Amino acid sequence: SQQGEEDPQALSIQEGENATMNCSYKTSINNLQWYRQNSGRGLVHLILIRSNEREKHSGRLRVTLDTSKKSSSLLITASRAADTASYFCATDVQTGANSKLTFGKGITLSVRP
Amino acid sequence: NAGVMQNPRHLVRRRGQEARLRCSPMKGHSHVYWYRQLPEEGLKFMVYLQKENIIDESGMPKERFSAEFPKEGPSILRIQQVVRGDSAAYFCASSLNLGGETQYFGPGTRLLVL
Repeated sequence: SQQGEEDPQALSIQEGENATMNCSYKTSINNLQWYRQNSGRGLVHLILIRSNEREKHSGRLRVTLDTSKKSSSLLITASRAADTASYFCATDVQTGANSKLTFGKGITLSVRP
Repeated sequence: NAGVMQNPRHLVRRRGQEARLRCSPMKGHSHVYWYRQLPEEGLKFMVYLQKENIIDESGMPKERFSAEFPKEGPSILRIQQVVRGDSAAYFCASSLNLGGETQYFGPGTRLLVL
C-alpha cells in the first residue's frame, strides 16, 4: 500500500474558491513535500514541511502537518484556472545514508473559469 | 542556472531493444534519484545514486534494469530487452545534500515500447 495517500482523488471547484487536499501516511517521516504536475509534464516542487513544523505558507499555498495523525493538508486559496493540475504528496523517510521519496497516487484538481 | 535535464524527452523502442535514458542533475547537486510513473499513477522510486555509487536500488527490477552516475557525465538509466510493460514516464530528480532536502525533478522521458 502507498506510504502517502491523497484525498480526494479528484476535486472540481470554481475559480476563486479554495481547494483543500489531504494526504495521509503510515510511517515516521523526516519531511513531507507537495508537488504539482501538469498533464504530460514534469513535477514542480511546491513546498516542503519538516516533521518538526506544523504549518507553512508560500504565496497562496498553506500546508499543515499533524504528525500525531500522520496527515498533511494543502490549501490553495483564491484558486485560478492555471492551478488545474495533479497534486502529489511525497514523504521523505531517511534511514542512515539513504533517502527517497514515496509518492501517493495524486489528486486531480480542476478549476473552472 | 539550468534545472535538471533529461533526454531524450520521448523514446520509442521495439520489444527486445535497449533504452538509454540520460539525466544531468542541477549544477552542484551530487544526489540523483530515478522514478517511474505509470499512467494515472504516482511516481515510484527506483534508484538513488551519488557520484560513482549506487546507494539504494531497492525499487529497481533486478533484471534488465541498471543505473549509473559516473564521475563525469550524466546519470544513465539503462533498460535492456524492453517489454511493453516498461512503457512509462521516467523521471530523474536531484538534490544538493543527503535527505531532508528538496528534490528537483526533470521533465521526464516518456518511453513507449511497441
